[in-house]
Amino acid sequence: NAGVTQTPKFQVLKTGQSMTLQCAQDMNHEYMSWYRQDPGMGLRLIHYSVGAGITDQGEVPNGYNVSRSTTEDFPLRLLSAAPSQTSVYFCASFPTAGWGGNQPQHFGDGTRLSIL
Amino acid sequence: DAKTTQPPSMDCAEGRAANLPCNHSTISGNEYVYWYRQIHSQGPQYIIHGLKNNETNEMASLIITEDRKSSTLILPHATLRDTAVYYCIVRVDGGDYKLSFGAGTTVTVRA
Repeated sequence: NAGVTQTPKFQVLKTGQSMTLQCAQDMNHEYMSWYRQDPGMGLRLIHYSVGAGITDQGEVPNGYNVSRSTTEDFPLRLLSAAPSQTSVYFCASFPTAGWGGNQPQHFGDGTRLSIL
Repeated sequence: DAKTTQPPSMDCAEGRAANLPCNHSTISGNEYVYWYRQIHSQGPQYIIHGLKNNETNEMASLIITEDRKSSTLILPHATLRDTAVYYCIVRVDGGDYKLSFGAGTTVTVRA
């Protein structure tokens, strides 16, 4: 099982460039989400999706777009990168069906993004 | 979701048990206690969770007090690979399913 796969692992961008961070899971999980983690800080939720075609904003959505056309994939788009978006980005997933507190979230290994 | 309080850091000798405390005095009856850890440069890893009963799995044990206002994660035989930041999180089913990661406890296992 690959679990949650994030690509690329590292990326350097210039201010104003756009890019898409990829996230894929092979566990047929309904829920997927994106977090960012700044140095020495906890994770903050950017966007999340409870199923294909359904997305919603987290606590820090500005500057990011998402879409969910399939259950497996949940890409995160930066339309015009800014230095403040330099961070480590984590994707997570879990099966909402039967959540009842018994379904832990699975995380990818992150994408380290630097914006100059 | 209830807020948690953890010590910022602790040391542990290799091979000994590591006991990580967490206070969650405002926890409500339908909130679960979760523990995750983050080893340097990796994604958060689920360890264990519970509602009110003590729980044990292959990684750790979770002891929740009777009033549920605090809990302790126990790593029975710490190894150098257990060096990580450990997060105690409480949350209720539903909503945006967000996991609120605070500062956690930085655990350093020493040989």
